[in-house]
Amino acid sequence: DAKTTQPTSMDCAEGRAANLPCNHSTISGNEYVYWYRQIHSQGPQYIIHGLKNNETNEMASLIITEDRKSSTLILPHATLRDTAVYYCIVRAYNTDKLIFGTGTRLQVFP
Amino acid sequence: DAGVTQSPTHLIKTRGQHVTLRCSPISGHKSVSWYQQVLGQGPQFIFQYYEKEERGRGNFPDRFSARQFPNYSSELNVNALLLGDSALYLCASSRDRAETQYFGPGTRLLVL
Repeated sequence: DAKTTQPTSMDCAEGRAANLPCNHSTISGNEYVYWYRQIHSQGPQYIIHGLKNNETNEMASLIITEDRKSSTLILPHATLRDTAVYYCIVRAYNTDKLIFGTGTRLQVFP
Repeated sequence: DAGVTQSPTHLIKTRGQHVTLRCSPISGHKSVSWYQQVLGQGPQFIFQYYEKEERGRGNFPDRFSARQFPNYSSELNVNALLLGDSALYLCASSRDRAETQYFGPGTRLLVL
């Protein structure tokens, strides 16, 4: 599975869009980009995933660059409850495991 | 529908003891994966079970074992506990091996 690189931490004002970047320059054609978040001491929560097209659901949008070497998770209107560690994971379709890095700690402030 | 459930929520053991952690997957999910998360790190993959068979194993010693039951629930067993086994143990379920994994709340194990 390809390695991902994320900033260690980010801040965002409440009500503003939070844009969380992820680099995955060694991604291969059959690997998906997954995003999870983990609020303090809870289990990771699935957010969204995509292969090459942009994706949107009720929680967030995922923008994947055309060369697939990077992506951005967008929380359109961040709230205090979005404060969490966000993990970007690259996973081949037929693999059994998720490989977590250290993620980005997003702090949403009032 | 209920999400993934795990029991117990917290557990304190002493070195050398063994522990059994339990996981019930989301209804209709046939695959269960176990992860260990030590403080300050991301979760690390331990096992995946699908249709009651081990389908994947991470880099963990043989003290760690698991099994999956006919109703797709699962147990993680850890023998001869070490202080370093203190962690949050997470269970995730998915419809099959390759589908999106959904995590439970975890069991926090403290080994003294």
